[in-house]
Amino acid sequence: QLQLQESGPGLVKPSETLSLTCTVSGASISRSTYYWGWIRQPPGKGLEWIGSIYYSGSTYYNPSLKSRVTISVDTSKNQFSLKVRSVTAADTAVYYCGRHPGGTGNHNVLDYWGQGTLVTVSS
Amino acid sequence: EIVMTQSPDTLSVSPGERATLSCRASQSVGSNLAWYQQKPGQAPRLLIYGASTRGTGIPGRFSGSGSGTEFTLTISSLQSEDFAVYYCQQYNDWPPMYTFGQGTKLEIK
Repeated sequence: QLQLQESGPGLVKPSETLSLTCTVSGASISRSTYYWGWIRQPPGKGLEWIGSIYYSGSTYYNPSLKSRVTISVDTSKNQFSLKVRSVTAADTAVYYCGRHPGGTGNHNVLDYWGQGTLVTVSS
Repeated sequence: EIVMTQSPDTLSVSPGERATLSCRASQSVGSNLAWYQQKPGQAPRLLIYGASTRGTGIPGRFSGSGSGTEFTLTISSLQSEDFAVYYCQQYNDWPPMYTFGQGTKLEIK
């Protein structure tokens, strides 16, 4: 059974870098035809797609965050990671990792999600 | 960017009754529309994709319809576990630029 689990610091200071990792179990990232993505949700608000990565390292980012975000993959650990630079209070959110197919002609929906982790940006 | 707008923001319905939630896209997304259910403290759960196809294990009381810019999620007979927040999401583009609606909170009347 596929499971995703986010991990990382729950508190980050303004102007610093937020770093999270998603560990995938029950499937191999490198043998998968799926993309692995990050989505966030500020407290009491809606969902925002941050970006996604393929096991080969191909990445796609939300243009609104692209200048501050890097997503990477470590197939040897079956993990993928998120870095958000120069964070402000507006980056406070629950961060989810998830899986979706890719390419044209597919239903590119998030069919598996991690439980989410709250990251607070505060001094 | 395709903007997704859901209505209403909050819907109050009694158990056993039907609930109808709406989602509008700022431009056509074909049938590339999904619905998710989110309960407090939980991750979203995929309900519907392709505008009308139920996800794995989703009960038959959930149905989706629409295409282009207008979409509807209908829950035919509300159960207590259905009271939650519902989000629509478009996935029309590749490379992806996924956008979600702001959500509709379905509450007990």
